[in-house]
Amino acid sequence: NAGVTQTPKFRILKIGQSMTLQCAQDMNHNYMYWYRQDPGMGLKLIYYSVGAGITDKGEVPNGYNVSRSTTEDFPLRLELAAPSQTSVYFCASRQQGNTEAFFGQGTRLTVV
Amino acid sequence: KNEVEQSPQNLTAQEGEFITINCSYSVGISALHWLQQHPGGGIVSLFMLSSGKKKHGRLIATINIQEKHSSLHITASHPRDSAVYICAVGAGNKLTFGGGTRVLVKP
Repeated sequence: NAGVTQTPKFRILKIGQSMTLQCAQDMNHNYMYWYRQDPGMGLKLIYYSVGAGITDKGEVPNGYNVSRSTTEDFPLRLELAAPSQTSVYFCASRQQGNTEAFFGQGTRLTVV
Repeated sequence: KNEVEQSPQNLTAQEGEFITINCSYSVGISALHWLQQHPGGGIVSLFMLSSGKKKHGRLIATINIQEKHSSLHITASHPRDSAVYICAVGAGNKLTFGGGTRVLVKP
């Protein structure tokens, strides 16, 4: 089991560029999440999904989009990168119910 | 006011000391999670609990549902325990996170 795999680990974007952060899990979890972590701050929920074909906004969804075409994959799309999106992004997954959450290693994104 | 509050924000201890981190929350929850984030960023789950107490090695987590409060204790702390400890509460489909407690254990 690889767990939750995020790619890339690091990325620098110019303002206005777009990119997709990839997240894949091999644990057959139905819940998947994208969070951002700003320096000294707690994780903020961007988007989440409770199963293939179902996504919903979290606390800070503006500037991002997601899709969930399969159980395994939950990519996060930035369409027009802005400096405010400089952050560390974490993908997480867990099974429905009171279950342990598993996290990817994070993607450190800098927008310049 | 944040839904999940942790205290202290920062903590420095000498090796061998007993450490306590507190987490208070204001919403109804189904479970509370304690997580550890090491320098370098990876986040791992330490505990998930919905009542009582759990122990794993030198780590102990307790929760009081009526008081909406949880504590994470580290006994006989060691420099390798230096990390950020994060409390998260689960309600419905989501997890809501506290701001984390940065722990430094000096040799």
